[in-house]
This record gives sequence, C-alpha cells and structure tokens, in this order.
Amino acid sequence: GAGVSQSPSNKVTEKGKDVELRCDPISGHTALYWYRQSLGQGLEFLIYFQGNSAPDKSGLPSDRFSAERTGGSVSTLTIQRTQQEDSAVYLCASSAALHAANSPLHFGNGTRLTVT
Amino acid sequence: GQNIDQPTEMTATEGAIVQINCTYQTSGFNGLFWYQQHAGEAPTFLSYNVLDGLEEKGRFSSFLSRSKGYSYLLLKELQMKDSASYLCAVRDQDYKLSFGAGTTVTVRA
Repeated sequence: GAGVSQSPSNKVTEKGKDVELRCDPISGHTALYWYRQSLGQGLEFLIYFQGNSAPDKSGLPSDRFSAERTGGSVSTLTIQRTQQEDSAVYLCASSAALHAANSPLHFGNGTRLTVT
Repeated sequence: GQNIDQPTEMTATEGAIVQINCTYQTSGFNGLFWYQQHAGEAPTFLSYNVLDGLEEKGRFSSFLSRSKGYSYLLLKELQMKDSASYLCAVRDQDYKLSFGAGTTVTVRA
C-alpha cells in the first residue's frame, strides 16, 4: 500500500467495553510501533514489533492493553474494559527495518478513541 | 529509560530563522530524528542524525552532538505553513524510539 493504514479512524465507545484498533503497515516493513497521543501532548510509546515478536512491552499502560501482529504484517491493539482516561489518538507507524541506520518511522493517520 | 527535553513553544516572524533545541539522556544511542506534526495530522519525518555534525536539507538543518546529548533543528526562511509542532525523537540501544513532548512553533506575518 501507499502508506500506513489505520482503522477505524474514529471510535466512540462506552466505558467498560472492549475495542480493537487495526494497523496495516507499509508493505515489506518489518518494524511496527504503537504510540498514544492525548490532546496537546507528546507521543507516548506503547509497544513495538520486529516481525511478529514484541521485544519491549513496557510501555503498555496496564494489563487491559494488549497487541499482536500476525504474518509480519497487520497488527491489532486491543483495549479491554475501556476507561475514560484511555481516550486519545492511537498512532501506528512502520519502518523498513528495526536496525537500519536511517530507517524513519512512517505514521498512519491514527484512530481517535473516545470513551464516554 | 529516556529523558528528552525541548521547549514547549516558540514564536517567530515569517522569513526569519528559528532554532529548536533538544537535550536527551538515553540508554545507548542509535540515532536522533526530527518530525513535524500539523494540528490534527500524523507526524511526518524531517531529518535524521546519528553522527556528530550538521545535516542540511533545504530550509531545514539538524545538528547533533552525542557527547553533549544535544541536538537542534534549524528552520530558515520561515513560512506560514511551518507553523506546527516539532518533535525530537531518540532511538535507544534496543531500537525503541521515544519522543519529546514537542515544540509548537507559531509563525507570524
């Protein structure tokens, strides 16, 4: 594909419900990152994947958050029992290779999650 | 962990020059990136430094000093469309990329 694709672009959910956010990286990109950005704030690291494995899960805010990646491509970020403080824009980014010297992240347009 | 600091806001006049500083402390170092983010949009890549010195790319330049844990982004000949948030990001020894809180630049006519 031309770029990183995220769906849905907007999601409004009730407190306590589960949500799934999807990310389709640029074809051939092996590294995939998830970030969260609250209004007017910087990017908060959540998790990254090299292929299908996640070397560092330390950024996940709580055990209600989980992520997986299958086939070295699509990734889903799942938030269980959503809380109002989970409201934010969830950004996905991919890069050609994790260890390449100059391999910038290319970001999707994000999923804006609102928990009511 | 990582600690990345940059000023919150800067204002400059159209046609002028602005320098955005970034200081960092990380566990190892595998490169520093600058991104531009317009309101409501995704960040877009501007520049990358891994060795000390200046990298120039048109109106934008980025400088790195690894020994000082310091970088700056220089924006020349400012245009109104340069009004945006500028994010400094550092990749650590595990290739995790962490971002600063961003610097909001406002360009005035």
